[in-house]
Amino acid sequence: GQNIDQPTEMTATEGAIVQINCTYQTSGFNGLFWYQQHAGEAPTFLSYNVLDGLEEKGRFSSFLSRSKGYSYLLLKELQMKDSASYLCAVAGTALIFGKGTTLSVSS
Amino acid sequence: EAGVAQSPRYKIIEKRQSVAFWCNPISGHATLYWYQQILGQGPKLLIQFQNNGVVDDSQLPKDRFSAERLKGVDSTLKIQPAKLEDSAVYLCASSLVGAGNTIYFGEGSWLTVV
Repeated sequence: GQNIDQPTEMTATEGAIVQINCTYQTSGFNGLFWYQQHAGEAPTFLSYNVLDGLEEKGRFSSFLSRSKGYSYLLLKELQMKDSASYLCAVAGTALIFGKGTTLSVSS
Repeated sequence: EAGVAQSPRYKIIEKRQSVAFWCNPISGHATLYWYQQILGQGPKLLIQFQNNGVVDDSQLPKDRFSAERLKGVDSTLKIQPAKLEDSAVYLCASSLVGAGNTIYFGEGSWLTVV
């Protein structure tokens, strides 16, 4: 089976850096995705990691350690518009999502 | 490029009634997914199709939910009879064939069962 854990809520201030962690257990691994979901909207793709290491894309970076079953999403120079839910999803035989981390960015 | 299309966007029904949701995936995407997302939770996979075959429907409550993708393109998800706990957003998504391909979501169909 699959199990994905991430914190329920996080808060941060504008301009700060925040790291959202995700731990997972899965039988079969074809990569890990991070999605962003604003309230009332559909999830949108942020990043994909299949090999160990850091993938950087602008203000967002994602890290993967397959041996530890661990990933994190790093958001730099936080903006108010980054307030959203961040979903960790593991690709095994199907793409399974965690419950999401609600990030609140304040001024 | 057109995205994943879903309809209706919003639906309110009484318990024990039936409802159907329609999805048209991105052109060329052979894999289609239906997810159920209850408020405050992550999306839960209900069923995954590859072309018109079912890859995974282990989480689909088959006593009341059914889904089909007859011609390998459009798909329909039906609930009959609906229960209060079926109130959720039903997200359709699609991707190219192959593990690790990014899946793209439609805007969702919001269901309220009263």
